Amino acid sequence: DAGVIQSPRHEVTEMGQEVTLRCKLISGHNSLFWYRQTMMRGLELLIYFNNNVPIDDSGMPEDRFSAKMPNASFSTLKIQPSEPRDSAVYFCAISRGSSGNTIYFGEGSWLTVV
Amino acid sequence: RKEVEQDPGPFNVPEGATVAFNCTYSNSASQSFFWYRQDCRKEPKLLMSVYSSGNEDGRFTAQLNRASQYISLLIRDSKLSDSATYLCVVNRRSQGNLIFGKGTKLSVKP
Repeated sequence: DAGVIQSPRHEVTEMGQEVTLRCKLISGHNSLFWYRQTMMRGLELLIYFNNNVPIDDSGMPEDRFSAKMPNASFSTLKIQPSEPRDSAVYFCAISRGSSGNTIYFGEGSWLTVV
Repeated sequence: RKEVEQDPGPFNVPEGATVAFNCTYSNSASQSFFWYRQDCRKEPKLLMSVYSSGNEDGRFTAQLNRASQYISLLIRDSKLSDSATYLCVVNRRSQGNLIFGKGTKLSVKP
């Protein structure tokens, strides 16, 4: 168990709507990551945080995407406005303790934009 | 050149077979290497780390060749339950920034 709870698990929304994906952490961590996975592009790192501070957001596709980590146990990824090409699985993941670079994934949020 | 490249497969093998996957990476400064396993419609999970001297975990053996910049995973006596996609993972120079290959799909048949 990675100690990472994502919500919603599945969401279908119409193009143009705002989407907010949530990640709740129930155990300690060093860093928090948001990844996106599609068949075409595989797993892509969108952004990661150290100590709640965004360190690298170079993977965020464009200004429609934003991520926040207001405290050590919660993060959000927002897409506004959403587009069909945003359809993907979005994973929240953490690294923790002595495992260093090893990361542990939540179960993912399956997003479909129609 | 992609940072991490893998043969997408699928590799279709009978139970009991030995199968090997290779992965190449482009950043010679990479320090950490892993294999993750991902079942259909599930999240990736760590299978094993890859150490410079090579390492083994039961039926699984991982090796690293820094000179040629490739990583390998060998699965002996494959089981039906080994059917999954295997992701090669390499870190970037900066802390915590892991890059995933697209994965190699393995299907073990009875």
